[in-house]
Formats: sequence, C-alpha cells, structure tokens
Amino acid sequence: DAKTTQPPSMDCAEGRAANLPCNHSTISGNEYVYWYRQIHSQGPQYIIHGLKNNETNEMASLIITEDRKSSTLILPHATLRDTAVYYCIVRGGGSGGYQKVTFGTGTKLQVIP
Amino acid sequence: DGGITQSPKYLFRKEGQNVTLSCEQNLNHDAMYWYRQDPGQGLRLIYYSQIVNDFQKGDIAEGYSVSREKKESFPLTVTSAQKNPTAFYLCASSSGQYNSPLHFGNGTRLTVT
Repeated sequence: DAKTTQPPSMDCAEGRAANLPCNHSTISGNEYVYWYRQIHSQGPQYIIHGLKNNETNEMASLIITEDRKSSTLILPHATLRDTAVYYCIVRGGGSGGYQKVTFGTGTKLQVIP
Repeated sequence: DGGITQSPKYLFRKEGQNVTLSCEQNLNHDAMYWYRQDPGQGLRLIYYSQIVNDFQKGDIAEGYSVSREKKESFPLTVTSAQKNPTAFYLCASSSGQYNSPLHFGNGTRLTVT
C-alpha cells in the first residue's frame, strides 16, 4: 500500500469549511483513496472514498488531483462534533495485497466555537 | 443491526497472563483485521485474515496470536511474550473487495499491570 502524509493538526472555525489535505505521491493506478475519522476512544468511522473522480456524500466531499498524488477532504460546514482525528489511507491492488490496510497518524481537527 | 462487536470494552490483567479479546461481526464480511493504538498514535496492524482458516501477520504481530475458525469471529490473544500489552485494540472487517471500506468495532482497552 502507498504511504500517505497528513499535517498533524488543524483548526477550523465552526460553520466554516474544513479542508484536510493528504499527500499520496506513490499511489498506484488501482489504489483508492479512503478517509476515516476517529472520535476519542471510539473505533474509526468511514467517511468517503474515491479512485480518480471527485466524490460527495452526505458527510463530506473528496477532491482528488488529476495526477492522483494528493487529495483533500472537505467538510462543508464544520460543527463541534466534527472534532476528531482524520485518517487518509490508500488501498487497492491485486493478488490480495489490498487486504493489508495500514493507517498513519492522521490529522487532528479541532473545530473552534 | 449489522455491525462489529468487541468485548469487553475494558479489560484488566496481571503481567504474565495471556488474555483473549473477542471480535464478532454479523456483516457477512470475508476479511477481518486487528489493530493496536497507543495514546496519541495512529493505528498499527497486528494481524489480518482474508478468509476462514487463513490469516497473515501485520506490522506488529510479535507477542500476539489469532484464529479464524468461523467467518463471524476473529479472536486476538495477547500473550505474555508481548512486552507492552497495555493499549487500545480495534477490530475491523470488510467485504473483501478491494474498493470496500473497513467497518470498525468500538475497541477494547486492555490494561496490564
């Protein structure tokens, strides 16, 4: 699996958009970008994933650059409940290698009132 | 409701004792995973299993053992050989398709004294 790089922490004002970046410069053609978040002392929660097109669901939007070497998770109107650690991972490939899913240290997002 | 159940939520053991953490899923998922999380750190992969009766070591398998006798269950044993067993342990599952997200349980916090 390709390695990802995220800033260790970010702040965002409540009601504003939170833009969380992720660098995955070694991503291969069949690897997906996934985002999860973890609220303190709970299991990570799946947010969204994409291959090369931008994706949107009820929680967030995912913007993937054309060269796929980086992506941004957008929470359009951050609330205090969005305060969490956000993980960006890449996953995919054949021969069962996609099953070894590894996480980095993520970005701690603090939403400020 | 479908999901992943980890029990117990808190577990206390004396040093030198083996302890088994339970993970059960009713999502009919083929793949299951165990992660360890230390305070302020990301998730580190201990073991994963793609199908019943098969499992592979992750990045930090030393001092741990697993079994996968049933599709629904993937118990993790923390042995006395694990030097620093106190941690937060997370179990996850996925359908096994390379573009399917992981679903996590809410974890077991193990304290060994």
